[in-house]
Amino acid sequence: QVQLQESGPGLVKPSQTLSLTCTVSGGSINSGAYYWSWIRQHPGKGLEWIGYIYYSGSTHYNPSLQSRVTMSVDTSKNQFSLKLTSVTAADTAVYYCARDVIREVMFDYWGQGTLVTVSS
Amino acid sequence: EIVLTQSPATLSLSPGERATLSCRASQSVSTDLAWYQQKPGQAPRLLIYDASNRATGIPARFSGSGSGADFTLTISSLEPEDFAVYYCQQRTNWRMYSFGQGTKLEIK
Repeated sequence: QVQLQESGPGLVKPSQTLSLTCTVSGGSINSGAYYWSWIRQHPGKGLEWIGYIYYSGSTHYNPSLQSRVTMSVDTSKNQFSLKLTSVTAADTAVYYCARDVIREVMFDYWGQGTLVTVSS
Repeated sequence: EIVLTQSPATLSLSPGERATLSCRASQSVSTDLAWYQQKPGQAPRLLIYDASNRATGIPARFSGSGSGADFTLTISSLEPEDFAVYYCQQRTNWRMYSFGQGTKLEIK
């Protein structure tokens, strides 16, 4: 059974960089069948796709966040990561990592989510 | 950017009743659409992919239909555990993703 688990600080100061890691277990991140995505949900709101990374390191970001987002992958650890720079209170959200099946339209496995609060 | 509009925002029904949730795209997405269920404090759970295919382990009372710009998620007979928020999601050919704003299905 594939599992994803987010980790990282729950509190980030304004103007600093938010850094999160997603650890994948029960399956290999090296599979060419998937992209690995980050999605966030502002408190009480809907879902916003941030971007994805492929095992090769190629990335694709939401244009609304592209200037502040960097994703990376560490296949040796079966992990992928998100960095979001220059954060403000508007970046306070639950951040999810999810597996994106390339040949279908679906995020089939999700992490449990981690709340990141931006506050001084 | 393709905008997904879900209706109604809130749907109040009783267990045993039939639920019909709508998702309309601002332009055609073919059948590149998925549905998710989210309960409080939990991650979204995949229900339907490619507009009409049930995900693994999803009960047969859930069904999806539609193509182009109009889609429907139907729950044939509501169980108590079905009361949650439902989201539709699309993916464009150039791999841009968006979600609808959600429909809250509440107990009447």
